[in-house]
Amino acid sequence: DQQVKQNSPSLSVQEGRISILNCDYTNSMFDYFLWYKKYPAEGPTFLISISSIKDKNEDGRFTVFLNKSAKHLSLHIVPSQPGDSAVYFCAARGGSYIPTFGRGTSLIVHP
Amino acid sequence: EAGVTQFPSHSVIEKGQTVTLRCDPISGHDNLYWYRRVMGKEIKFLLHFVKESKQDESGMPNNRFLAERTGGTYSTLKVQPAELEDSGVYFCASSLPGTRGTNEQFFGPGTRLTVL
Repeated sequence: DQQVKQNSPSLSVQEGRISILNCDYTNSMFDYFLWYKKYPAEGPTFLISISSIKDKNEDGRFTVFLNKSAKHLSLHIVPSQPGDSAVYFCAARGGSYIPTFGRGTSLIVHP
Repeated sequence: EAGVTQFPSHSVIEKGQTVTLRCDPISGHDNLYWYRRVMGKEIKFLLHFVKESKQDESGMPNNRFLAERTGGTYSTLKVQPAELEDSGVYFCASSLPGTRGTNEQFFGPGTRLTVL
């Protein structure tokens, strides 16, 4: 039973446009959410996070939005660049330091 | 500063054989984690060391998996005997002492294990 769901296995976006990656969760105990980025043959690297006491966190071109009532978060990348092409994992934590990951969304940014 | 390293990068073995994966965490990181990703699925937690002690091994699939971290430095994950369903990418991660807050985990590149 997946507690963190990324329902879009892939996303294709034109360079310069906005990329929106979505994530849903089911566990109400989750209070901290993270996005990781993974290039082929590399491990995931931490990208951005948000605490449940906030609804938005911004870092440069990356913004994460959290809608607790809907148990939904999204990662916005504006503007998208070809170097952003990677697999993005949504992860959540609650009462534990161990994140629960989603299956990932493969983002392809076309020049 | 060197990141988390894992060896080997790839391993192909036959069902019933034994394989040992190694992880070298970032120096000074007391926390060491093992994860596994089966193709196309989520990254799943296997276990967590604090120094040489197993803090949480709730994610270990069964007793064919044995993890050690002697001396609190590098860690090994042994699979014996390997089964087909053990195929996947095994990631190791490490983090600084302490486990709460934004304690970021740094991942290694993974070991891709294929069991034939």
